[in-house]
Amino acid sequence: RKEVEQDPGPFNVPEGATVAFNCTYSNSASQSFFWYRQDCRKEPKLLMSVYSSGNEDGRFTAQLNRASQYISLLIRDSKLSDSATYLCVVNSGGSNYKLTFGKGTLLTVNP
Amino acid sequence: NAGVTQTPKFQVLKTGQSMTLQCAQDMNHNSMYWYRQDPGMGLRLIYYSASEGTTDKGEVPNGYNVSRLNKREFSLRLESAAPSQTSVYFCASNDRDRGRGDTQYFGPGTRLTVL
Repeated sequence: RKEVEQDPGPFNVPEGATVAFNCTYSNSASQSFFWYRQDCRKEPKLLMSVYSSGNEDGRFTAQLNRASQYISLLIRDSKLSDSATYLCVVNSGGSNYKLTFGKGTLLTVNP
Repeated sequence: NAGVTQTPKFQVLKTGQSMTLQCAQDMNHNSMYWYRQDPGMGLRLIYYSASEGTTDKGEVPNGYNVSRLNKREFSLRLESAAPSQTSVYFCASNDRDRGRGDTQYFGPGTRLTVL
């Protein structure tokens, strides 16, 4: 099982749609979890951290299920500007801080 | 603040040539990283430096060397480039030490082609 696996995508949705991304991780000792966004030919940027209690930032909601080793990202009321690749990222912990990235899921929001 | 800067932005090498990718951050971060990103493979860690004076191998270190020149700068060297090293290279730094969480900041990337 790969360390971090994401929906392969791509996702094509109309403006205003709700879209959900799913991610699983294999290391049960993983300590922190994130969603990054990467625009075409640009660097990844942090979208939001994911907390055990779930967290929301505007139209974006992230959930973590430690028992199932599962992370999700929900985008409501999709905008054209949400078109990007979404990366699920896990810090597997230890004394050295290293992130493991999923391969990403491409989202295209259409007018 | 410029954040994380990388040079060059683009580079074409012939097989066997050497080059150094430069990275600098002005955020006073202790930790710095080099990744490569290939289609269908996602981001993979090449080397990292948890603090000035230390470096460690990541997932794909073969064919690369690194130098943490000082707290600001972390360079990646290809001694003898191979076509398999054609990729986009990202440098990143991390502000976890400041107790602000685990945000990792990335440079704009270097697009390297080895012919």
